Amino acid sequence: EVQLVESGGGLVQPGGSLRLSCSASGFTFSNYAMHWVRQAPGKGLEYVSAISSNGGSTYHAESVKGRLTISRDNSKNTLYLQMSSLRAEDTAVYYCVKDISAGPLFRRVFDYWGQGTLVTVSS
Amino acid sequence: DTQMTQSPSSLSASVGDRVTITCQASQDISNHLSWYRQKPGKAPNLLIYDASNLETGVPSRFSGSRSGTDFTFTISSLQPEDIATYYCQHYDSLPLTFGGGTKVEIK
Repeated sequence: EVQLVESGGGLVQPGGSLRLSCSASGFTFSNYAMHWVRQAPGKGLEYVSAISSNGGSTYHAESVKGRLTISRDNSKNTLYLQMSSLRAEDTAVYYCVKDISAGPLFRRVFDYWGQGTLVTVSS
Repeated sequence: DTQMTQSPSSLSASVGDRVTITCQASQDISNHLSWYRQKPGKAPNLLIYDASNLETGVPSRFSGSRSGTDFTFTISSLQPEDIATYYCQHYDSLPLTFGGGTKVEIK
């Protein structure tokens, strides 16, 4: 059974930093691209970041570029999102998401989602 | 950037009703469109990809279709467990975007 378990969320002051982790199990983690999608309270879904299966290629939305950084450790089956210079508008539930297709390319169809971790940026 | 215009933003229907949600892309995205259901307090889950392919394990009352840049999602017979918000998402190019969502309630 595929499981994605996020951790690391919490309350942080504007300008602060946080690192989210996503522990994956139930599939060969190193074969799949992974993504982060966020959802502000009461709002819709926003695509944040992506990383290829071997970590060699990444994508960050313009709204987070230079402040949020995606990475992965395939030896630990773990996905990360390093967050810095956080703003109030980064307040959201952050979902770790698995790509539907194995291989080096991004399909960007999301077949498994974690339960999400809430990040609140407030003074 | 490709924008996805989803409608309606909410609807109320009776159990057993046929429910239709549409998404219009601002430019050609081929069939690169998915539909997700998000039950209250839960993460989204994939229902349909490539505009009309049903994800494994998803009930057959859900379906999707495409006509040019217009995409339609249908629940053939609404069930109580279908109370949720539904999102379309294109993945034709970056940035990928989601529609604004359709909240489905039981009348």
